[in-house]
Amino acid sequence: ETGVTQTPRHLVMGMTNKKSLKCEQHLGHNAMYWYKQSAKKPLELMFVYSLEERVENNSVPSRFSPECPNSSHLFLHLHTLQPEDSALYLCASSQSQGLSTGELFFGEGSRLTVL
Amino acid sequence: GQQVMQIPQYQHVQEGEDFTTYCNSSTTLSNIQWYKQRPGGHPVFLIQLVKSGEVKKQKRLTFQFGEAKKNSSLHITATQTTDVGTYFCAGRHTGFQKLVFGTGTRLLVSP
Repeated sequence: ETGVTQTPRHLVMGMTNKKSLKCEQHLGHNAMYWYKQSAKKPLELMFVYSLEERVENNSVPSRFSPECPNSSHLFLHLHTLQPEDSALYLCASSQSQGLSTGELFFGEGSRLTVL
Repeated sequence: GQQVMQIPQYQHVQEGEDFTTYCNSSTTLSNIQWYKQRPGGHPVFLIQLVKSGEVKKQKRLTFQFGEAKKNSSLHITATQTTDVGTYFCAGRHTGFQKLVFGTGTRLLVSP
């Protein structure tokens, strides 16, 4: 059982839809992350929130919009996505101290298919 | 840019054979982590190496961090079918907080 919960586990959406992915961590960590995992590609870091403040945005298209209302919750709002955005979206959390980041605890992921 | 290369991409072994995956960076890493992702699952943390030349063992798994802190390896002795999955290294380049994942090595073990 993971301390990081993601919903939904599977999502199919059209290119004009608006949907959101939700992540909740029960580990008391101070940093949360969104990663994208596509076939045959390394895990791509999308966003990092540390103490609810966005500290990294890896040139992600504006059709992906993150939100971190508190240290336990993280959202990824999706709008007018493209078929190439179909992937497994993984949320993770960790306990960070300055430049040192501990191990990442991943959720089970949200499998997104864009038609 | 900061990259971490991992080889091989894929390996198929017979149960009982050994397996090794290698991770290489062009720049010095402050530390390196290893994760395992089972088919259909999510990455799970295995270990972190911090010191130059560090070697750590977990049962049949041996992890090494190179002397120059630019490479690392994971060796599995006498593989079992439960070892099936993709193994990722993730390195943090010195002076940067961002963790960069390697491309992963997919391991298949036949009984």
